[in-house]
Amino acid sequence: NAGVMQNPRHLVRRRGQEARLRCSPMKGHSHVYWYRQLPEEGLKFMVYLQKENIIDESGMPKERFSAEFPKEGPSILRIQQVVRGDSAAYFCASSPPRGAGQPQHFGDGTRLSIL
Amino acid sequence: DQQVKQNSPSLSVQEGRISILNCDYTNSMFDYFLWYKKYPAEGPTFLISISSIKDKNEDGRFTVFLNKSAKHLSLHIVPSQPGDSAVYFCAASEMDSNYQLIWGAGTKLIIKP
Repeated sequence: NAGVMQNPRHLVRRRGQEARLRCSPMKGHSHVYWYRQLPEEGLKFMVYLQKENIIDESGMPKERFSAEFPKEGPSILRIQQVVRGDSAAYFCASSPPRGAGQPQHFGDGTRLSIL
Repeated sequence: DQQVKQNSPSLSVQEGRISILNCDYTNSMFDYFLWYKKYPAEGPTFLISISSIKDKNEDGRFTVFLNKSAKHLSLHIVPSQPGDSAVYFCAASEMDSNYQLIWGAGTKLIIKP
C-alpha cells in the first residue's frame, strides 16, 4: 500500500458532527476513487475524481456526503451531520491516467466511528 | 443485486498445497478483473488482474483463470505459504463505467502449517 496516504487512520465523531477524510494519491496518479466497507462486506464504490472534477459520484449518498480533489492538496471526503450508520472503513485508491489494465492502488483506510 | 459473488466466506488449506479461490459475476459487460489481498487494518493490495480478452494470466505463484462463458474466474496460489493467510477480494470493472470496481464480499484464506 505504499504511496497512497490516508489520514487520519482512525476518526471518532459524535452524531451531528462533521467528518473530513483525506487522501493523497500515489505520485504520478491523477485519478482518485473512494470506497466504503462495512463489516463482513466487500468495498462499495462511492465516487471517482480527477483533479478539480467529479467524474462519477453514482455511489455516493446524495445528502451529507461530498468529495473534492483540488488542483493542489489531497482529495477530501466530507460527511456532514454524521449518523451511526456512517461508521465504516473508508478507503481511497488512485490510478494513473486512464488506460486499459490499470489497477487501483489503495491506502490503508480511515476507520470512522460514530458515537 | 450482487454483480460479483464470492460464495465461500472462508477456505482452509495446508501449507505447500494449492489454494483455489473462486468468483462468479453476472454482468457480461465486465471486461477487467482483479484480485486483491487484504490484511486486517490495512488497505487492499493488488495481486493480479486479467482482461476479458485473455483466459489466463500468471505471475509467480499466482494464476488467474477466466471462463467468460461461465462468468467465472478463479485465483490459484501454489504453493500456499503462511503469509498468504488473508482475505481475498475479487473485483470487476467495465470501461464504460469509468472503471469503478465492483467487489465481491471476500474469502478468508487460512493456510495451516
